Amino acid sequence: AQTVTQSQPEMSVQEAETVTLSCTYDTSENNYYLFWYKQPPSRQMILVIRQEAYKQQNATENRFSVNFQKAAKSFSLKISDSQLGDTAMYFCAFMKPNAGNMLTFGGGTRLMVKP
Amino acid sequence: GAVVSQHPSRVICKSGTSVKIECRSLDFQATTMFWYRQFPKKSLMLMATSNEGSKATYEQGVEKDKFLINHASLTLSTLTVTSAHPEDSSFYICSAMGGGGSYNSPLHFGNGTRLTVT
Repeated sequence: AQTVTQSQPEMSVQEAETVTLSCTYDTSENNYYLFWYKQPPSRQMILVIRQEAYKQQNATENRFSVNFQKAAKSFSLKISDSQLGDTAMYFCAFMKPNAGNMLTFGGGTRLMVKP
Repeated sequence: GAVVSQHPSRVICKSGTSVKIECRSLDFQATTMFWYRQFPKKSLMLMATSNEGSKATYEQGVEKDKFLINHASLTLSTLTVTSAHPEDSSFYICSAMGGGGSYNSPLHFGNGTRLTVT
């Protein structure tokens, strides 16, 4: 079974600064997918970024980028130029191919962006 | 973009009654839907996987007779909490997957349902 661990329950960052959220996972699979989801106070789950394990290049989506270290089983999320609207819970998630799109979520990190 | 509608967004019910939560894919056919439960300030825990036209697959520890799942069409899955108790109070979220392969059909989440059992 896969496990996903987010070691930072809460973090805060000043507006316009950069913050990195940590995520590690445990799997015996060689090919898989990793995701970061954002859950703002509205509770809507929003996909932030995704990474295929077979791709060495780190995924980037505007201000969001990941540092994917496959050997270390680490998948951190970097948010640059933090904005107040980035305040939310962030969940790291793992998906095994051909497993029906079932996601395994980490425990979440609550990010507060301060003005 | 693809939208998943979950209804109701909030429900309060008395202990012992049953509550039905609907999850609809509005502009795509969802072959598979997932039901999650989220406790306050906690992560999403998968309860069951719902496949259209077949029985749901429940995760270990989830009572299938208490949490009834019906996926009768490609656009609708329902979760019924039967004989609800206060400990069933929680936030329930559904997600849906369209056709086209696992990675290229990302999951779309509903807005969730906050259930309070008094």
